[in-house]
Amino acid sequence: DTGVSQDPRHKITKRGQNVTFRCDPISEHNRLYWYRQTLGQGPEFLTYFQNEAQLEKSRLLSDRFSAERPKGSFSTLEIQRTEQGDSAMYLCASSLGGGTTEAFFGQGTRLTVV
Amino acid sequence: QKEVEQNSGPLSVPEGAIASLNCTYSDRVSQSFFWYRQYSGKSPELIMSIYSNGDKEDGRFTAQLNKASQYVSLLIRDSQPSDSATYLCAVNMWGNNRLAFGKGNQVVVIP
Repeated sequence: DTGVSQDPRHKITKRGQNVTFRCDPISEHNRLYWYRQTLGQGPEFLTYFQNEAQLEKSRLLSDRFSAERPKGSFSTLEIQRTEQGDSAMYLCASSLGGGTTEAFFGQGTRLTVV
Repeated sequence: QKEVEQNSGPLSVPEGAIASLNCTYSDRVSQSFFWYRQYSGKSPELIMSIYSNGDKEDGRFTAQLNKASQYVSLLIRDSQPSDSATYLCAVNMWGNNRLAFGKGNQVVVIP
């Protein structure tokens, strides 16, 4: 068990470009979450998957953001037409599901939009 | 009202002392409560979970939950310089699939 893995660890992109991040959860975990964190703030919920189904999406999430989890394994988060305000740490977490909600985070992907 | 509030400013404690952190939450039906530690530039690391009223101890950490007062706390005994980090309180509400986080409290342990 290598924990939650995210790729890339850092991404610098020009405003208006599209970016895609990948998350590999802990293998037996069927729940997967994406969060965003800016400096001095706690993680902000973006979206949640139970297996391959996207069951919840934050009302704050722009239409430029989309996430997938094909086959209920890894997940991708895409941001289209990036803006400077998208600069943040993007965190993926997974949990076992069932009666437990303990969530474990990956290392995060730090996005800088210039 | 924010779902999870951590209002204290940075906390400085001498090495060996007890650090005490507090968190309040807004939803009375919240079921699960967690403390995460986050070092600067790193991702959050789960250190404690608590589900029922009372105290839960794990090594030098003690979590305390009072659902009637909607209050969760974390005590760090015999604080070490390696405990210097931001501590995030997280709450999972009944019927809700996500964790709501407070903005965190920074702890600085002074050798």
